[in-house]
Amino acid sequence: GAGVSQSPSNKVTEKGKDVELRCDPISGHTALYWYRQSLGQGLEFLIYFQGNSAPDKSGLPSDRFSAERTGGSVSTLTIQRTQQEDSAVYLCASSHPPGLAGGPPVVQYFGAGTRLSVL
Amino acid sequence: LAKTTQPISMDSYEGQEVNITCSHNNIATNDYITWYQQFPSQGPRFIIQGYKTKVTNEVASLFIPADRKSSTLSLPRVSLSDTAVYYCLVGDGRYNFNKFYFGSGTKLNVKP
Repeated sequence: GAGVSQSPSNKVTEKGKDVELRCDPISGHTALYWYRQSLGQGLEFLIYFQGNSAPDKSGLPSDRFSAERTGGSVSTLTIQRTQQEDSAVYLCASSHPPGLAGGPPVVQYFGAGTRLSVL
Repeated sequence: LAKTTQPISMDSYEGQEVNITCSHNNIATNDYITWYQQFPSQGPRFIIQGYKTKVTNEVASLFIPADRKSSTLSLPRVSLSDTAVYYCLVGDGRYNFNKFYFGSGTKLNVKP
């Protein structure tokens, strides 16, 4: 595909249910990132993948949040026992591997996001 | 990660030049300055990136003074379609896994 694809685009769920959000990165991008954006706020970093490993999980807000990436491509963000405060837009981005020595940060390409509403 | 400060919002009119300034007093030697643009219901999109002096592309210009403690994004002759949130990011991709602090950005409202 030409860009980062996220599905579903919208998800409405009941409090306490589990949800899975999917991200399909740009072909050839080995780095993948998940962010969360609450209404009218900036982006909150959640997790970073390089290939299938996640060297930086520091942004995951609680142990109800987990993410995996298989085959170095598609990633799934899972939220267990959803709470109302989990309602937000979840954005995925992909890029080439970060950082040549002394070089600039690589450009991140974002999907349109999944809008999660927990009732 | 270096923290940035930018105005919460700005208003402009079509055809005007818009300058959005970002403060980053704690910028590190290896840090670059990157700007992203976000339209409603979309993910952010890369606009421009620089290390020092001036960078220009087909969309915008980025001015960075010698001390690098601030930077200014300049949008020439804005149109209604430039209404968006603009994020200033400071970071070193290599040592921070390309992880950026996006903050709340500057909401630019272009009026007819």
